[in-house]
Amino acid sequence: GESVGLHLPTLSVQEGDNSIINCAYSNSASDYFIWYKQESGKGPQFIIDIRSNMDKRQGQRVTVLLNKTVKHLSLQIAATQPGDSAVYFCAENENLNTGNQFYFGTGTSLTVIP
Amino acid sequence: NAGVTQTPKFRVLKTGQSMTLLCAQDMNHEYMYWYRQDPGMGLRLIHYSVGEGTTAKGEVPDGYNVSRLKKQNFLLGLESAAPSQTSVYFCASSYAGANTEAFFGQGTRLTVV
Repeated sequence: GESVGLHLPTLSVQEGDNSIINCAYSNSASDYFIWYKQESGKGPQFIIDIRSNMDKRQGQRVTVLLNKTVKHLSLQIAATQPGDSAVYFCAENENLNTGNQFYFGTGTSLTVIP
Repeated sequence: NAGVTQTPKFRVLKTGQSMTLLCAQDMNHEYMYWYRQDPGMGLRLIHYSVGEGTTAKGEVPDGYNVSRLKKQNFLLGLESAAPSQTSVYFCASSYAGANTEAFFGQGTRLTVV
């Protein structure tokens, strides 16, 4: 299987500060990446995605950066709010025409301090 | 629009018992997936389906069976439950093709004693 790992298992930030969550992946053939947010007791929720032909994508308060050279993905959350407290997963996918088999990292727990 | 719905939400089984987890999606997605989530291990793919009547093995398929008799439903069966199958199970679905995100259900917490 693929190896998708996160550099930090936990992250605490002050409300209003920016958060950066990192992710390393090992499959150089992966061509699609997603960040999911999982709140306690709930299923993962899509936050933002990026294709391998891009190196940056922005959403509302979130930015994903992709560095294919070092196989690194990051999620930046601007002006972090208490509602951002959750576990964040990166997932990678290689298009093999056999279904979208996403491989997930172990997750980073983000705690926002009011 | 309910999205992806899993039943039941919680279940306790005795070792050796069998059960079926039901997943239903109303988004007309072609692909469906079953994952398990264990502490410190992220989500691991058990089985998946790319269409009605077709299923395939994922990373951790042993001890599980699946069926996709209708496009909107994907069933996960445990033939003889073991304590190692204590986990939170998530169903997901997505459109066919590359570069499409998966939508997840709320999960089923299964405890095998």
